Amino acid sequence: GESVGLHLPTLSVQEGDNSIINCAYSNSASDYFIWYKQESGKGPQFIIDIRSNMDKRQGQRVTVLLNKTVKHLSLQIAATQPGDSAVYFCAERVAGGSYIPTFGRGTSLIVHP
Amino acid sequence: ETGVTQTPRHLVMGMTNKKSLKCEQHLGHNAMYWYKQSAKKPLELMFVYSLEERVENNSVPSRFSPECPNSSHLFLHLHTLQPEDSALYLCASSQATNLNTEAFFGQGTRLTVV
Repeated sequence: GESVGLHLPTLSVQEGDNSIINCAYSNSASDYFIWYKQESGKGPQFIIDIRSNMDKRQGQRVTVLLNKTVKHLSLQIAATQPGDSAVYFCAERVAGGSYIPTFGRGTSLIVHP
Repeated sequence: ETGVTQTPRHLVMGMTNKKSLKCEQHLGHNAMYWYKQSAKKPLELMFVYSLEERVENNSVPSRFSPECPNSSHLFLHLHTLQPEDSALYLCASSQATNLNTEAFFGQGTRLTVV
């Protein structure tokens, strides 16, 4: 957990804007990254993942970018909606004997209508 | 629903009580995890079980005692907790600890120690 951190604890955006949530990691042996969304009162839910042999992956309204040179991960949400309001966590798995997800601090995304 | 069910959803217990948290998954996963989520802290990994064997214990105090009787069930036994143990306890499962796959989380148990 200590090797994964988020730059901003809170991000406020207007509905319809694009959102970018950032994540830094320090372990160069990490080879798999996942973004989770946690809504109030619920457990984290998978959004999108990316392996270290890729630098970009797109899903529905979400894009994850991986920059291994600077050990940086970002989640882009297009046309942000009020339902996107949640805490977003990045998790890394370190290559080796066990792949056990560790998490950063989380960014709270607030979408204003 | 993620396929991981935790009970109870809420628990209030005194410092001298003994209680247990339960987690159940029928996803066919072989790895199960307990995490603690406190305010303003990252998700903290507590225990990892792989094929019913504990493979990780992250310096968790002995007042927390996990049990994994089979690959579908995971318990967290609580005994003489402290108020600072109040938190959201999350269970998760994944296919295996040696695969690059996502973890599925339960809804959590909100624990309050009084």
